[in-house]
Amino acid sequence: AQSVTQLDSQVPVFEEAPVELRCNYSSSVSVYLFWYVQYPNQGLQLLLKYLSGSTLVKGINGFEAEFNKSQTSFHLRNPSVHISDTAEYFCAVSDPSGANNLFFGTGTRLTVIP
Amino acid sequence: NAGVTQTPKFRILKIGQSMTLQCTQDMNHNYMYWYRQDPGMGLKLIYYSVGAGITDKGEVPNGYNVSRSTTEDFPLRLELAAPSQTSVYFCASSSSGSGNTIYFGEGSWLTVV
Repeated sequence: AQSVTQLDSQVPVFEEAPVELRCNYSSSVSVYLFWYVQYPNQGLQLLLKYLSGSTLVKGINGFEAEFNKSQTSFHLRNPSVHISDTAEYFCAVSDPSGANNLFFGTGTRLTVIP
Repeated sequence: NAGVTQTPKFRILKIGQSMTLQCTQDMNHNYMYWYRQDPGMGLKLIYYSVGAGITDKGEVPNGYNVSRSTTEDFPLRLELAAPSQTSVYFCASSSSGSGNTIYFGEGSWLTVV
């Protein structure tokens, strides 16, 4: 079985400051890893994903994440956030041999303060 | 560019009533999904479909039914609504299997009273 733990439920940060949102996963098999963002009253949209290859993955809006197999982590970072980055961020995993079903963490609410 | 469209956006149901959440996608995706999102929680998979005529249970299928008669449509049926089904429901689709980007609709807010 797969599971995802997002260690911080809320992260406040000042505008133009760096931020890291933490994600750890548990799985007995190899996984695909995803970060999705949910803006208020909207559906989720993909920020970035790791399938294979380089462990540093770049996504939209200046976000990047690093896959660390030994620590079973996939932390999301942004060196300089904007007000518009205020949203809920979800880490998710899927089984590469499965039907693309995602298992989500409980989310991290990022609030960017002017 | 419609993508994944869900209706209705908001609905209040009485306990024991039934209803269908409609979902349609115009991207010719084979895979479709229904997730629910409870407050402060991540999304959980209810049902999914890998193609027309094929459906399968996800993590939390009890109290729901689905059908997939066409590639475009994937309705979710709630039978005998219960307060525990108060949630936000998201329909989603992807072109094919594991690793492909999943595209989400904007959600349907359902309250059972």
